[in-house]
Amino acid sequence: QKEVEQDPGPLSVPEGAIVSLNCTYSNSAFQYFMWYRQYSRKGPELLMYTYSSGNKEDGRFTAQVDKSSKYISLFIRDSQPSDSATYLCAMNFGGGADGLTFGKGTHLIIQP
Amino acid sequence: IAGITQAPTSQILAAGRRMTLRCTQDMRHNAMYWYRQDLGLGLRLIHYSNTAGTTGKGEVPDGYSVSRANTDDFPLTLASAVPSQTSVYFCASSVISGGAYEQYFGPGTRLTVT
Repeated sequence: QKEVEQDPGPLSVPEGAIVSLNCTYSNSAFQYFMWYRQYSRKGPELLMYTYSSGNKEDGRFTAQVDKSSKYISLFIRDSQPSDSATYLCAMNFGGGADGLTFGKGTHLIIQP
Repeated sequence: IAGITQAPTSQILAAGRRMTLRCTQDMRHNAMYWYRQDLGLGLRLIHYSNTAGTTGKGEVPDGYSVSRANTDDFPLTLASAVPSQTSVYFCASSVISGGAYEQYFGPGTRLTVT
């Protein structure tokens, strides 16, 4: 079983809807949680990161971490067609420059 | 514009040939990474370097080598390419922010081994 599980989708929603993207993980030692957005044939772009449990908001994006359930979420409000991309969750143990463990990514389609 | 550059953008390579993927960053980040991205498998760490002169193995290091002679450059070498190394390769670098190492990615190199 891979350490980080993420539904690959595709997830298709109408413009303006609230989008919920989720990941589960198995290693309770993960401390830092990130969300990346990747457009087709481009490199991943960091959207947000969160340390331990809690919420973090940045404009239309909210990241949520529940360490007790080993579950993280990204919410997108007022979704736009330009939000159509693959969203990758990632996490690491922190305390050093170790690499990230990624989910496989969810392909999101916002219908105009 | 500051960031990470990778070269080549894409490459078709015959099996058994040697190939070096280049990565340069101008942000003076201490740490750098190489990942490969495969359909159905996601992004996986190949090698990393916490600072110039040091390197470490990631999840899938076999068949790859790296060096870190200076802060800016982190080349990835395939000594004898095999078809299973067909993938998209991303270089990344990181800065510390609030205790987390925020990683920034380059545009990728699309490699096909025939």
